[in-house]
Amino acid sequence: RKEVEQDPGPFNVPEGATVAFNCTYSNSASQSFFWYRQDCRKEPKLLMSVYSSGNEDGRFTAQLNRASQYISLLIRDSKLSDSATYLCVVNQMDSSYKLIFGSGTRLLVRP
Amino acid sequence: DAMVIQNPRYQVTQFGKPVTLSCSQTLNHNVMYWYQQKSSQAPKLLFHYYDKDFNNEADTPDNFQSRRPNTSFCFLDIRSPGLGDAAMYLCATSREPLGSRNEQYFGPGTRLTVT
Repeated sequence: RKEVEQDPGPFNVPEGATVAFNCTYSNSASQSFFWYRQDCRKEPKLLMSVYSSGNEDGRFTAQLNRASQYISLLIRDSKLSDSATYLCVVNQMDSSYKLIFGSGTRLLVRP
Repeated sequence: DAMVIQNPRYQVTQFGKPVTLSCSQTLNHNVMYWYQQKSSQAPKLLFHYYDKDFNNEADTPDNFQSRRPNTSFCFLDIRSPGLGDAAMYLCATSREPLGSRNEQYFGPGTRLTVT
């Protein structure tokens, strides 16, 4: 079983749609959680950290469910510019230096 | 205002010919990382430096080495590149260990082709 699992997609949605991605992690002691965005052939960039209480940044909402060991990302009012791969990332507890990346979920927003 | 710089952006090397990829940072961060990312896969951590302390991942092949001569620079040396080493190599930095929720900043990557 992979340490961080994501549906690879692609999710193909029209502009203005709401789309949600889920991610599951295997290490129940994981402490820090993030969503990164990666455009084609570019580097990953931090989209948002995920806190236990959930957090929102404009059209983006992240939630953490520790009991079920999953993280979600909700994008409202999708824009064409949201088309990218979204990487779920977890801090591995036995090494505070190490992030474990999921393989990413690809989002395509069409006009 | 580039903060993590990688050179070159594209590198072509021949099978078995040693190659060095470079990374520099203007953030004065203590931790520097090297990742390998193949197409449609997650970035895979190869090793990292916390200041001068080198930490190798258990599954990183001996073919991959790294040097950090000072805070700003870190190098990835591939001693004998094979076709399977063709990938994007990403350098990243963080101020402190990630347990304190410090963000990790990535460079633009070097895309390595092995012919």
